Amino acid sequence: QSALTQPPSASGSPGQSVTISCTGTSSDVGTYNFVSWYQHHPGKAPKLMIYDVSKRPSGVPDRFSGSKSGNTASLTVSGLQTEDEADYYCSSYAGVNNISFGGGTKLTVL
Amino acid sequence: EVQLVESGGGLEQPGRSLRLSCTVSGLTFGDYAMSWFRQAPGKGLEWVGFIRSKTYGAATQYAASVKGRFTISRDESKSIAYLQMNSLKTEDTAVYYCSTFAVYRADYWGQGTLVAVSS
Repeated sequence: QSALTQPPSASGSPGQSVTISCTGTSSDVGTYNFVSWYQHHPGKAPKLMIYDVSKRPSGVPDRFSGSKSGNTASLTVSGLQTEDEADYYCSSYAGVNNISFGGGTKLTVL
Repeated sequence: EVQLVESGGGLEQPGRSLRLSCTVSGLTFGDYAMSWFRQAPGKGLEWVGFIRSKTYGAATQYAASVKGRFTISRDESKSIAYLQMNSLKTEDTAVYYCSTFAVYRADYWGQGTLVAVSS
């Protein structure tokens, strides 16, 4: 069982927006602003999409945004495109140099 | 272009050892902490451990599930990070990924190497 809770699946049509949640506790997401989101196309290298809750690395489209409220972080993908179909994982610093991950959300673009 | 290439995976028996390598190019290896992650079949990503840069003493931290069995090291002259896996268990079966690591995030990733532990 993963330390962070994500819905197993999410979906949307091209052009729509979808939000994926990531629920932790006061020991991780609720205390630290070190929440990251990764996109993973199976068989390929994972890709960092969001770090420090809401920052985007260079090259990541601004259609991807992150936020946090209490113990729950969220990733929103706006203007869905077919290439956004992938698995998405959240992670959070959990203190004492420990990193927790969510179980992953499979995003389907209908 | 930044590239990370994992190697050394394969089939090994329980209780045996395996060493994975992560060869890095396209950046100044010495400036980066490095981390290892894994993904068991049908499961999500799991952090394995990280090693800080030499500037920070190459200090290491490990997930509880591998502490005492796995060791991460680095060779600055070759731009390689290693994951030494001892006392392998069947539950260590996974694709292992290396990444650069900065303030608890993984910026650049390799494509992974498969480790299968079975008798």
